[in-house]
Amino acid sequence: QSALTQPASVSGSPGQSITISCTGTSSDVGSYNLVSWYQQHPGKAPKLMIYEVSKWPSGVSNRFSGSKSGNTASLTISGLQAEDEADYYCCSYAGSTTLIFGGGTKLTVL
Amino acid sequence: QVQLQESGPGLVKPSETLSLTCTVSGGSIRSFYWSWIRQPAGKGLEWIGRIFTSGSTNYNPSLKSRVTMSVDTSKNQFSLKLSSVTAADTAVYYCARNRGSSSSGNYYYHYMDVWGKGTTVSVSS
Repeated sequence: QSALTQPASVSGSPGQSITISCTGTSSDVGSYNLVSWYQQHPGKAPKLMIYEVSKWPSGVSNRFSGSKSGNTASLTISGLQAEDEADYYCCSYAGSTTLIFGGGTKLTVL
Repeated sequence: QVQLQESGPGLVKPSETLSLTCTVSGGSIRSFYWSWIRQPAGKGLEWIGRIFTSGSTNYNPSLKSRVTMSVDTSKNQFSLKLSSVTAADTAVYYCARNRGSSSSGNYYYHYMDVWGKGTTVSVSS
């Protein structure tokens, strides 16, 4: 099981929109609509931002949205804010009760 | 509001067993799955496995031979043991509540909605 593939870094200016991709295989992302996204600020625990590809947990801003096409899931953040600067990780159900994470993407707000 | 707190030794010698406990407060441990996830410094997250309050477990195949999880519902705690550790096991270890949803007639535990703050474990002699 290899980690899901994410870009190492993305950046955007305040107010802009950015998209982070998460590419897996037909055995994980492609087979299940069970992708979640986590935000992690330095020195902090991850925070759930999206689950089941596109659902919001209570309290998470709708500026964060998720989608999936084939073996690739995506997280879009609209109206970028300085506080969005963090690392973002995708996670997918990978069959046989296991979970697999992406390598993480560092978002820089310029 | 459910809160999780990891505890255990911060330093473990190579070849020994790493032991951590996660204490659940603000809610019952019962009827949920609970996961362990780790993160080496500067690297990504790795799911280690999960345990249900009945004691049923699922482990990451890459770690399965070295991992044992257990639960103590009377103490609202669950635990992780990782044997034969090496420097590669040095990481921040998180415990988290594992949630799920139905898809195509099956129920899958696929996301973590509450996380502990994490505890750093170093493997060194």
